Amino acid sequence: DGGITQSPKYLFRKEGQNVTLSCEQNLNHDAMYWYRQDPGQGLRLIYYSQIVNDFQKGDIAEGYSVSREKKESFPLTVTSAQKNPTAFYLCASSIQGRLLREQYFGPGTRLTVT
Amino acid sequence: GESVGLHLPTLSVQEGDNSIINCAYSNSASDYFIWYKQESGKGPQFIIDIRSNMDKRQGQRVTVLLNKTVKHLSLQIAATQPGDSAVYFCAENGDAGNMLTFGGGTRLMVKP
Repeated sequence: DGGITQSPKYLFRKEGQNVTLSCEQNLNHDAMYWYRQDPGQGLRLIYYSQIVNDFQKGDIAEGYSVSREKKESFPLTVTSAQKNPTAFYLCASSIQGRLLREQYFGPGTRLTVT
Repeated sequence: GESVGLHLPTLSVQEGDNSIINCAYSNSASDYFIWYKQESGKGPQFIIDIRSNMDKRQGQRVTVLLNKTVKHLSLQIAATQPGDSAVYFCAENGDAGNMLTFGGGTRLMVKP
């Protein structure tokens, strides 16, 4: 089956620790995205990557970092500099082309920092 | 700044009735719109999309209507079922062109 996987589903960390969230896709999509979702709110873009070895900051990149060494993988690190890291994190991917296309989402990782 | 928004945060309908979820957008440059469904604890699931050169598009039990004059987007679900209960998001591309901006979401509750 083709799709996007995120692991783990639930993640707990102590304040001050960095944590890396995994995102893998086997859809052969060039573009990948990371969003943050807080209760009752829409999705906010953290980082995105349109091609391997290149990525751009989204609207709320502070306190986060990413890498894109492989087409299939786009891990997100939540650093200790992120003031409010507890949230639901969603990874997505899409085809790159002349026309904008829909984004496909993974199941999400719920991060709780205490 | 310009944003995508929704008229109703919660919509409650009887099973079997039709549902209409609305979305207002303010960016006249938007030419691509998507509706997503998100069930509790899961990632958003693509439902249907529409480009600005159309005003209506139909899928299985769903129809999206686009009114560019008043910058309004709606999702119609026919014969609503309990499995349709979820939060529905609209998204547009806006000035960014190749990026999506998401609305806050409307929760649809289906009563048996």
